[in-house]
Amino acid sequence: DIQMTQSPSSVSASVGDRVTITCRASQDIGNYLAWYQQKPGKAPKLLIYAASSLQNGVPPRFSGSGSGTDFTLTISSLQTEDFATYYCQLADSFPRVTFGRGTRLEIK
Amino acid sequence: EVQLLESGGGLVQPGGSLKLSCAVSGFTFSSNSMTWARQAAGKGLEWVATIARNSGETWYADSVQGRFTISTDTSKNTLYLQMNSLRVEDTAIYHCVRLLSPYNYFDPWGQGTLVTVSS
Repeated sequence: DIQMTQSPSSVSASVGDRVTITCRASQDIGNYLAWYQQKPGKAPKLLIYAASSLQNGVPPRFSGSGSGTDFTLTISSLQTEDFATYYCQLADSFPRVTFGRGTRLEIK
Repeated sequence: EVQLLESGGGLVQPGGSLKLSCAVSGFTFSSNSMTWARQAAGKGLEWVATIARNSGETWYADSVQGRFTISTDTSKNTLYLQMNSLRVEDTAIYHCVRLLSPYNYFDPWGQGTLVTVSS
């Protein structure tokens, strides 16, 4: 099975900061990776699919990059509403998917 | 607007059964593969089961294989998850999600229904 390593597990940042979250796959997964945002008590929300495609309605300060084994989610200028938990999702083995362990983004 | 609305959660004793439902609207149900995912309190996301849009083929996580059954009723635009032989570790919020091809990502997610397995 392909393993996913998401880091960091938590990060503290301030409004206006640039933040990067990474996911690393143990094998080449091409661009079969998605990113989700989850706020407390809410369902996850799709941000990025196919590693770098921005979901409709998601602000352009969110971006995804990478292919193969190394992927990043970048928030270019943090807003108050961005403080949440972020998950990556490996998607190359339909229908079995693996989620990263999550990154909690907290206000500094 | 695409909407997924889960129901059927509740408190059940270990070894018991429960059937979850997910009412779907806003898209052609039969044209999409559907998935159940779950999240235990304070924990991450876990894939549970998927049913394929065309063939009706099903797949399950090892942790639920042989105990859970995913199914659909296209006449009612409803997805189901029959859960038998429930264990304490099955306690979680269960989300119904649409699986989109070809990149196999999930959108949207239902708000979820809470299943608590406890004596």
